[in-house]
Amino acid sequence: DGGITQSPKYLFRKEGQNVTLSCEQNLNHDAMYWYRQDPGQGLRLIYYSQIVNDFQKGDIAEGYSVSREKKESFPLTVTSAQKNPTAFYLCASSIRSGTQETQYFGPGTRLLVL
Amino acid sequence: KQEVTQIPAALSVPEGENLVLNCSFTDSAIYNLQWFRQDPGKGLTSLLLIQSSQREQTSGRLNASLDKSSGRSTLYIAASQPGDSATYLCAVTRAGNNRKLIWGLGTSLAVNP
Repeated sequence: DGGITQSPKYLFRKEGQNVTLSCEQNLNHDAMYWYRQDPGQGLRLIYYSQIVNDFQKGDIAEGYSVSREKKESFPLTVTSAQKNPTAFYLCASSIRSGTQETQYFGPGTRLLVL
Repeated sequence: KQEVTQIPAALSVPEGENLVLNCSFTDSAIYNLQWFRQDPGKGLTSLLLIQSSQREQTSGRLNASLDKSSGRSTLYIAASQPGDSATYLCAVTRAGNNRKLIWGLGTSLAVNP
């Protein structure tokens, strides 16, 4: 059963704490993405990776970090430098097939600050 | 700068009605346009993808059109059902090597039994 999994479903962060959101895919996709979704705003790209061991900043990378050591995994760390981390975080992956390319999304992680 | 706008922001219709959701974009230099569905508290599901050279795509009761020159796309839902209730998001992929998606805010659809 192929797909993208994100864990945990809910995550609570204390002040000054770093937390890591997990994203795993078994679709054999090369590219992976992290988005943040806030009420009243469109999805905003945090980081993306087009290949293993390489990643680029998106539009709102400050306060976040990622790694891409394996094709299947793209964890996102929300650092203490991110002052407003409460949001719904979505991970996605994609593969380019000719002229068709669509992103497949995980179920999301909701991050709340205690 | 590419901007994507979706109108209306919210829509409530009785079951069985045909309806149209609108998406507009400011820069016609796109690679493709996609429509996604998002249920509350869930991830996104891709519904239809239209390449920049295409005019429309169909899947079941869904039909999406693209008019690149006018910067518009519509998602037509025929014979709406309560199970269609969700938020529908439109996104365009910028042309070029950096194929980032630019997202609209979505249309929240409620289909009432």
